[in-house]
Amino acid sequence: KAGVTQTPRYLIKTRGQQVTLSCSPISGHRSVSWYQQTPGQGLQFLFEYFSETQRNKGNFPGRFSGRQFSNSRSEMNVSTLELGDSALYLCASSFVVGRGRGSYNEQFFGPGTRLTVL
Amino acid sequence: AQSVTQLGSHVSVSEGALVLLRCNYSSSVPPYLFWYVQYPNQGLQLLLKYTSAATLVKGINGFEAEFKKSETSFHLTKPSAHMSDAAEYFCAVSFLNTGFQKLVFGTGTRLLVSP
Repeated sequence: KAGVTQTPRYLIKTRGQQVTLSCSPISGHRSVSWYQQTPGQGLQFLFEYFSETQRNKGNFPGRFSGRQFSNSRSEMNVSTLELGDSALYLCASSFVVGRGRGSYNEQFFGPGTRLTVL
Repeated sequence: AQSVTQLGSHVSVSEGALVLLRCNYSSSVPPYLFWYVQYPNQGLQLLLKYTSAATLVKGINGFEAEFKKSETSFHLTKPSAHMSDAAEYFCAVSFLNTGFQKLVFGTGTRLLVSP
């Protein structure tokens, strides 16, 4: 199976602009999660989508948004970019193994999109 | 609340030495635990996982981890470090939250390997 793909891999924007990042999950995976990774804050959870619905959300301002399409591909958008938004944005697709209390979430990560805001 | 704590943001070893990266978890239910590795400018790759089948778990690249319930630990080890092991390592716990699975990551430990 092909892995998780993210486009573009690198992006340079200026303050005030907006950006859209794309993620294609592994075939058959219905859940897509987004993370922001920075040297200072580490790996931070942005949001998760499942069957086109956002079902988990991290503690980020409303400038960060996302969506998922019927084919499970996902996009995230950041509006009014700030310098502090410079980061590696990681997408992960996942599936749940097992059921109920005996289940767990296994995530597979893409290579990330490196966003630089000038 | 479920969480993981990784002791030491940086660990330095010499090539050939034992690698020990520490992870302690906090969970009110039986946890499912993972170790991921991240090489520079890449995504996270799953090294190994504990899903209650066996307490000693073997992963890729010669790594293994032992689940110790009494110590609430899931430390990652490798008998002999290789230069290619230099990377950042993340411990994570998966748990059921409001009907959905959630994955929580530790803050990461950067492994430095010197010749």
